[in-house]
Amino acid sequence: QVQLQESGPGLLKPSETLSLTCTVSGYSISSGYYWAWIRQPPGKGLEWIGSIYRSGTTYYHPSLKSRVIMSVDTSKNQFSLKLNSVTAADTAVYYCTRGFGDSWGQGTLVTV
Amino acid sequence: DVVMTQSPLSLPVTLGQPASISCRSSQNLVHSDGNTYLHWLQQRPGLSPRRQVYQVSNRDSGVPDRFSGSGSGTDFTLKISRVEAEDVGIYYCMQTTHWPYTFGQGTKLEIK
Repeated sequence: QVQLQESGPGLLKPSETLSLTCTVSGYSISSGYYWAWIRQPPGKGLEWIGSIYRSGTTYYHPSLKSRVIMSVDTSKNQFSLKLNSVTAADTAVYYCTRGFGDSWGQGTLVTV
Repeated sequence: DVVMTQSPLSLPVTLGQPASISCRSSQNLVHSDGNTYLHWLQQRPGLSPRRQVYQVSNRDSGVPDRFSGSGSGTDFTLKISRVEAEDVGIYYCMQTTHWPYTFGQGTKLEIK
């Protein structure tokens, strides 16, 4: 059974860079699927940030594209999210997921 | 972006009674590959979202058969045949046909 676990700093100052890693267990990233980051501001709905394939092909939400970089490390079975120049509007629970949301991490709260 | 509109946004239901949630998209969700990538998520209080139904009508593993999805094109429905206490939470529809992927606002199901 695939499991995903987000990790990274929970508190940032405005203008800093958010860096999160998702560690995948029970499934090899090299085997396929897109891997995604989704966020949820406190008390609000969901927003798809972006997706990355094992090859490194990425799709970023147009509203975040200028600030987002996603990467994958198949040797560690991890994928990562970097979001630069954060503001209070980036405060949210950040989730990593597989494919079209068939498996989710527990989420990590990032406060700016 | 494809706008996903759910109704109702609040759904009080008596235990054992049926429940129905509607989701309408601003664009046809049939992909060029012929599939319709409309999915339903359940988010229980304090937990990560969990996908219940994928591609309109397919239940994910472990999802009770009292959950069913239907619809086509731009109109979709999630039905719960007999609501149980564990069904309390927020339900989101999600489309992964058109980039950027988008979510409905969420429907909060509570026990009356």
